[in-house]
Amino acid sequence: QQQVKQSPQSLIVQKGGISIINCAYENTAFDYFPWYQQFPGKGPALLIAIRPDVSEKKEGRFTISFNKSAKQFSLHIMDSQPGDSATYFCAASRQAGTALIFGKGTTLSVSS
Amino acid sequence: GAVVSQHPSRVICKSGTSVKIECRSLDFQATTMFWYRQFPKKSLMLMATSNEGSKATYEQGVEKDKFLINHASLTLSTLTVTSAHPEDSSFYICSARDSTSLTDTQYFGPGTRLTVL
Repeated sequence: QQQVKQSPQSLIVQKGGISIINCAYENTAFDYFPWYQQFPGKGPALLIAIRPDVSEKKEGRFTISFNKSAKQFSLHIMDSQPGDSATYFCAASRQAGTALIFGKGTTLSVSS
Repeated sequence: GAVVSQHPSRVICKSGTSVKIECRSLDFQATTMFWYRQFPKKSLMLMATSNEGSKATYEQGVEKDKFLINHASLTLSTLTVTSAHPEDSSFYICSARDSTSLTDTQYFGPGTRLTVL
């Protein structure tokens, strides 16, 4: 049973465009939702994270939108750059200190 | 920011040998560390949760006798792949949570590429 569903699997965006990646979760006990960026051969790096008590969080060009009733959250990358080309993972965890459950990942390619 | 290191970054071993991978939190204490496995172009799959001073908790389907985890201090967890076989070849990544932090941020290591010949 896949607890965190991520889409699309791959995404091609023009430089300067907006990249949007979506995730849906099933377990209402999840209360922490981070997004990670991973380059080939490297470990994931935290981009931005949100808790269910807010509907949106913005850090620089990265924004998380969260819809608690729909059990969905998304990552928006504004003004996408070639350097943003990487694999992005959404994740969720039930409570502080517990393991993250990852989505399957989205490979983003930003064309110059 | 918090840094997690892994050693070695790459290891190649013969089938049947054992390999130890270290995960260290360099500038914070971590009572809990996690071990993940990642296949090429796939997501991270949780293998086990490592708690300092106690036995690790393994996910369903992960052989605890094959993947030995030790968390002897607040800054070090080790994963030993025993009697490695080619199917154990993978990218192993650890993560750690700052025990003193008010957030749930988990910091990931750079990963260890294991190739079993």
